[in-house]
Amino acid sequence: DIQMTQSPSSLSASVGDRVTITCRASQGIRNYLAWYQQKPGKVPKLLIYAASTLQSGVSSRFSGSGSATDFTLTISSLQPEDVATYYCQKYNSAPPLTFGGGTKVEIK
Amino acid sequence: QVQLVESGGGVVQPGGSLKLSCAASGFTFDSYGIHWVRQAPGKGLEWVAFIRYDGSNKYYADSVKGRFTISRDNSKNTLYLQMNSLRAEDTAVYYCAKEMYYFGSGTDAFDIWGQGTMVTVSS
Repeated sequence: DIQMTQSPSSLSASVGDRVTITCRASQGIRNYLAWYQQKPGKVPKLLIYAASTLQSGVSSRFSGSGSATDFTLTISSLQPEDVATYYCQKYNSAPPLTFGGGTKVEIK
Repeated sequence: QVQLVESGGGVVQPGGSLKLSCAASGFTFDSYGIHWVRQAPGKGLEWVAFIRYDGSNKYYADSVKGRFTISRDNSKNTLYLQMNSLRAEDTAVYYCAKEMYYFGSGTDAFDIWGQGTMVTVSS
């Protein structure tokens, strides 16, 4: 099975900072990668699919890039409402549709 | 609006059974594959199972294969997860989640999630 590894597992940054989260697949998955945001106590929300396509209604502060095995999620200017755990997920083939371990983003 | 609502969670003893439901509304249920995803307390997301829009294909995580069964009743716009031989490690919030594109085969992102239902396996 393909493993998805996120880094870092947590980070603390100041409001306005540029934040980057990485996700690495153990094998190539082309661009079949999604990013989800889960705020504390809330349901996961789709942010980005196909590695770089912003889901409708999602703030343009969020962007995604990458292909094959290496992917990034960038928050261009961190805001207090972005405090959440972010997960990547591969969906190039099923089963399984593996999630990364998550990256917890906090405000410094 | 597009909505998924899970129910059926609760407390069950190890070795017991439970059946979860996921009621869909606001979209053409019989055109979309649906997944179950779980999240143990304080842990990350774990994909559990998938069923194709017409029920013809079903996939399971190794951790639940042989114990859990996913099914759907398109006439009732409802998805199910029958969970047998439950273990303590099955304790989690269980979410149903819809594929983005219709007539998919389990290889899409999840655009709509339910609010989740808690399953606790404990004696």
